[in-house]
Amino acid sequence: DGGITQSPKYLFRKEGQNVTLSCEQNLNHDAMYWYRQDPGQGLRLIYYSQIVNDFQKGDIAEGYSVSREKKESFPLTVTSAQKNPTAFYLCASSINFNGELFFGEGSRLTVL
Amino acid sequence: GENVEQHPSTLSVQEGDSAVIKCTYSDSASNYFPWYKQELGKRPQLIIDIRSNVGEKKDQRIAVTLNKTAKHFSLHITETQPEDSAVYFCAASWGNEKLTFGTGTRLTIIP
Repeated sequence: DGGITQSPKYLFRKEGQNVTLSCEQNLNHDAMYWYRQDPGQGLRLIYYSQIVNDFQKGDIAEGYSVSREKKESFPLTVTSAQKNPTAFYLCASSINFNGELFFGEGSRLTVL
Repeated sequence: GENVEQHPSTLSVQEGDSAVIKCTYSDSASNYFPWYKQELGKRPQLIIDIRSNVGEKKDQRIAVTLNKTAKHFSLHITETQPEDSAVYFCAASWGNEKLTFGTGTRLTIIP
C-alpha cells in the first residue's frame, strides 16, 4: 500500500525529554513537510524539505529539528525547548514543492 | 508573509441544502488556492483547487470561486450529504512561497 506512514500514532513523554516522530513515504516525492494541528489553529508549518539533504524552517520551527538524509524519510524531533509540545503532528509529501499534499495519518504527542 | 482568514469556524446545514465557506488572503501575488477536507480521525485530502487564471472551477457537487480583486475565494457544496461532514481547510500560495492554511471550518450536515 503506497503512501505516507507516520509512527508512532500515539506517544506519551515526560516533560524535558526529546521525542522523534517518524515519517516515511514510498511515493518518490521530492518534497516533504511537517505540520502541527491544534484546535482552531489550522495547519501550521514546522519544517519543510524540497529535496534530499536540504530543509527550511516553517512558521513555527522553534523547539523542533529535522533531517532529510534519504528521499523517503523526514523525521521530526520535538526537543525539550518546545514550550508546548502536546499536539497532533501531520507529515506530508508532494511530487514537487507546493504540489498536491499527501498526508500521513498523524502522530498525537502528549507531554505529561 | 501570507495571511489566510477562514469563516465561519463552524457551520451546520440541513442535508440537501448548500454550504459556503469563505477565505480571504493578504498577498496579492498568491495564485494557487487549494481546499483540503479532513474527515473525523482521518488525514486531510485535497478536494479541489483553483489557480488565478480562472474565476471558478467545478467538480460535481463542489465548486470554488475566486475574486482576485477582493482577494477572497470560496468553497461551495451543493446538495449536501452526511459524508460532507468534515473540517475543511483553505490555503494560498504563489511561486516558491510556502502554502499558508486557514484555520478550518467544521461542517456538520444535519440529517
